[in-house]
Amino acid sequence: EAGVVQSPRYKIIEKKQPVAFWCNPISGHNTLYWYLQNLGQGPELLIRYENEEAVDDSQLPKDRFSAERLKGVDSTLKIQPAELGDSAVYLCASSGRLAGGPNEQFFGPGTRLTVL
Amino acid sequence: DQQVKQNSPSLSVQEGRISILNCDYTNSMFDYFLWYKKYPAEGPTFLISISSIKDKNEDGRFTVFLNKSAKHLSLHIVPSQPGDSAVYFCAASLGGSQGNLIFGKGTKLSVKP
Repeated sequence: EAGVVQSPRYKIIEKKQPVAFWCNPISGHNTLYWYLQNLGQGPELLIRYENEEAVDDSQLPKDRFSAERLKGVDSTLKIQPAELGDSAVYLCASSGRLAGGPNEQFFGPGTRLTVL
Repeated sequence: DQQVKQNSPSLSVQEGRISILNCDYTNSMFDYFLWYKKYPAEGPTFLISISSIKDKNEDGRFTVFLNKSAKHLSLHIVPSQPGDSAVYFCAASLGGSQGNLIFGKGTKLSVKP
């Protein structure tokens, strides 16, 4: 079974430039999450989707961050304009009810963003 | 204010011995707890979980213990293997197994041959 796919794996941009991250969740998983992970910290939730609906975006800085999940499958996370403090790893995760199992989240490898 | 705390940034253990990773939480309403393992340049991978109605869950070499009165959980790895060397994250949920996860900062485990 293919895991969560993210691209690009690494991105270096100058401040004030826009940047976008893409995520393809595990097939059949209807819940998709975007997390931010700063160095030495655990992942912090930015937004959670149930199918195409954003059910929790309370931690998403909406002045510069936006996300979409068209058709309830792939998702993109955008930052415009990027700031120096946005340098971090952006993780995508997905989950779906498995028969008899917990609804644990499966993470992609992340995109490491460096803003210069 | 950190709701999930992993106070040990690192832990070093000899191969074959027991590794004990600790996690404390402040919110007594958390009802589901998970441990994730993370290798460099990879995303976290699910390891083991426990519901708040239980005090122990075991899966092979991995056992998670939950002490609700102390708001403390621990992950035991027996015996430890060099391949277990990774960063371990404790996470807690307010919505059972489907709730949003709140992660600790992680503990880096090094298992020496």
